[in-house]
Amino acid sequence: KQEVTQIPAALSVPEGENLVLNCSFTDSAIYNLQWFRQDPGKGLTSLLLIQSSQREQTSGRLNASLDKSSGRSTLYIAASQPGDSATYLCASGAGSYQLTFGKGTKLSVIP
Amino acid sequence: DAGVIQSPRHEVTEMGQEVTLRCKPISGHDYLFWYRQTMMRGLELLIYFNNNVPIDDSGMPEDRFSAKMPNASFSTLKIQPSEPRDSAVYFCASSLGLAGAMFFGPGTRLTVL
Repeated sequence: KQEVTQIPAALSVPEGENLVLNCSFTDSAIYNLQWFRQDPGKGLTSLLLIQSSQREQTSGRLNASLDKSSGRSTLYIAASQPGDSATYLCASGAGSYQLTFGKGTKLSVIP
Repeated sequence: DAGVIQSPRHEVTEMGQEVTLRCKPISGHDYLFWYRQTMMRGLELLIYFNNNVPIDDSGMPEDRFSAKMPNASFSTLKIQPSEPRDSAVYFCASSLGLAGAMFFGPGTRLTVL
C-alpha cells in the first residue's frame, strides 16, 4: 500500500523567501504525482500534475519535480507571498489506483 | 464550466438519521471520486467510479455507507444510519482519465450529533 509523507508538517517563512516543500512516497511505480493547495475551510485546488514519464512541471512561481527512483517530489515556491499561505498536499497514484494523499505541509508566509 | 458542485455545503444531523450527499462532476470527466477528510486521518478515498460504474469501494468504512452514480452528471453518497464518528468533510472530485488532473468540489461539512 502506497504511503505518502510530507515533511515538515508546518513551515513559517518571511515574505520574499524561496522555499521547498518535500513529499516522499513508498511505491515508485506511480503513474502520476499531483500537488494541491487547500485554504482553511475550502476544497483542494490542483496546482501541478507530473506524469510518471516527466521530471518536472512549472506554473508561474511554482516548480514541482519528480524523482521516482528515490521516491521523492519537491514543490519549489519562488519569492513567497503572504497569499501563498495555505496547506500544500501531494498525492500519488499507483498500483490498481489509490490516489494516496500526504497529511500536508501548512505554510505561513509572514509579511 | 462551474467546476465540481457539491450539496449541501453543511449538514448537521442527529445520530441515527440518514444523510445524503450530492455531487455533480465536471462535464466530460469520466472518473468520479468520493473522499473523506478528518484531522486525524487526513484525506481518505472512499470509492471511485469510472463511466458511472463503481470500480473500488474498499475505502467505504462500513455497510452504513453506500454510493451511487445513476448517470454521468450525478452521484450520491449515503450514510444510514449516521453516527458521530462520521463527522468529517466529504469531498467529491472528478478527472478525465485515471491519470488526469483531479478537480475537487468545495466539500460538505457533516456534523453528526
